[in-house]
Amino acid sequence: GENVEQHPSTLSVQEGDSAVIKCTYSDSASNYFPWYKQELGKRPQLIIDIRSNVGEKKDQRIAVTLNKTAKHFSLHITETQPEDSAVYFCAYLGGSQGNLIFGKGTKLSVKP
Amino acid sequence: EAGVTQFPSHSVIEKGQTVTLRCDPISGHDNLYWYRRVMGKEIKFLLHFVKESKQDESGMPNNRFLAERTGGTYSTLKVQPAELEDSGVYFCASSWTGTSEQYFGPGTRLTVT
Repeated sequence: GENVEQHPSTLSVQEGDSAVIKCTYSDSASNYFPWYKQELGKRPQLIIDIRSNVGEKKDQRIAVTLNKTAKHFSLHITETQPEDSAVYFCAYLGGSQGNLIFGKGTKLSVKP
Repeated sequence: EAGVTQFPSHSVIEKGQTVTLRCDPISGHDNLYWYRRVMGKEIKFLLHFVKESKQDESGMPNNRFLAERTGGTYSTLKVQPAELEDSGVYFCASSWTGTSEQYFGPGTRLTVT
């Protein structure tokens, strides 16, 4: 079935360090891969996405890479700050009608 | 532009009772999705509306769940009768036709005791 494995489940870094979260998906037909950030008590917020026609996309301190052959995609956060602390979800567009398939989430803690 | 809104933010009900959750999508978004996250697990798809029509309800757990979107604007998700395993956070998301980006609401935390 459709699923995505996300690792690690928790990640603790010092402020200023980099953080990397990795996901592996099962549906080779998917062409859209978003990342959501959910701060405590708030809504999941789309922070960056990538489509299958590119291998990397950057937006300031965050970047996403995609390897369609290996069915891997990753989120990279550089120069982490305490406000980056949140749960991050990877997802891909699955099914025939456009629903998102999510990973289990990574709880990122950035220590000042 | 107002985001996706959901009501209530929290609901605590007893097993066997009925609860109705409401979602107001971003104005003009024809696509409306319901998702659920149960106790630290992944966010799982429940169903997808395009305007007032159910496009895909393959994720609905069972017939105790009924979703409607009369008029193609807001949507309701009713759970009747509620069971303990229905506890979780219910999210609604919406998107424009022809786009992939889905915008989420803040969720409704449902606790069934």
